[in-house]
Amino acid sequence: DAGVIQSPRHEVTEMGQEVTLRCKPISGHNSLFWYRQTMMRGLELLIYFNNNVPIDDSGMPEDRFSAKMPNASFSTLKIQPSEPRDSAVYFCASSSRAPLSAKNIQYFGAGTRLSVL
Amino acid sequence: KQEVTQIPAALSVPEGENLVLNCSFTDSAIYNLQWFRQDPGKGLTSLLLIQSSQREQTSGRLNASLDKSSGRSTLYIAASQPGDSATYLCAVHASGGSYIPTFGRGTSLIVHP
Repeated sequence: DAGVIQSPRHEVTEMGQEVTLRCKPISGHNSLFWYRQTMMRGLELLIYFNNNVPIDDSGMPEDRFSAKMPNASFSTLKIQPSEPRDSAVYFCASSSRAPLSAKNIQYFGAGTRLSVL
Repeated sequence: KQEVTQIPAALSVPEGENLVLNCSFTDSAIYNLQWFRQDPGKGLTSLLLIQSSQREQTSGRLNASLDKSSGRSTLYIAASQPGDSATYLCAVHASGGSYIPTFGRGTSLIVHP
């Protein structure tokens, strides 16, 4: 398996522009997570999907952020409009089990490094 | 609000040393604690997961212990190797059933030959 695939790897955009990050989870995994990592705040969970349904989006920072999972093999994280403080590395992870199960192992993608100028 | 602290923030050791990385959390009401490894420019790799009812987990040269009452976990790395160089993060899930983990900032480890 190719693992969790994220695109693009790097994104540079100007303030106010729309940004869309993409994620393809591991085939057969039914849990998907979006994280953000910054020097200031460390690693934070933004949203968790189970069977394509958003279960917990309490980590989404603002209404400018939205995430979708139209099918089991694809998810997007959109920021509109983007701001410089959104600059971070965004990770997608998937798992074959629910987050609180004893055998929960999340597999992370390589991340998208976003720079908003 | 749960806070997770990792000490030290950075560590540089010669190859072959046995290491202890520390993780402390302020709220002992946790469901589980997990240790991850992050290589530069990459995502996280899960190393060990300890349920709140467990005291330790082992995988190869890694051993993680959990003392829930004192709010501490340690990751022991035996006979360190240059390939162990990475950032190690711990994360806890609160026992209330929240799906949102709280991560520490990590310990950056360099093992030099």
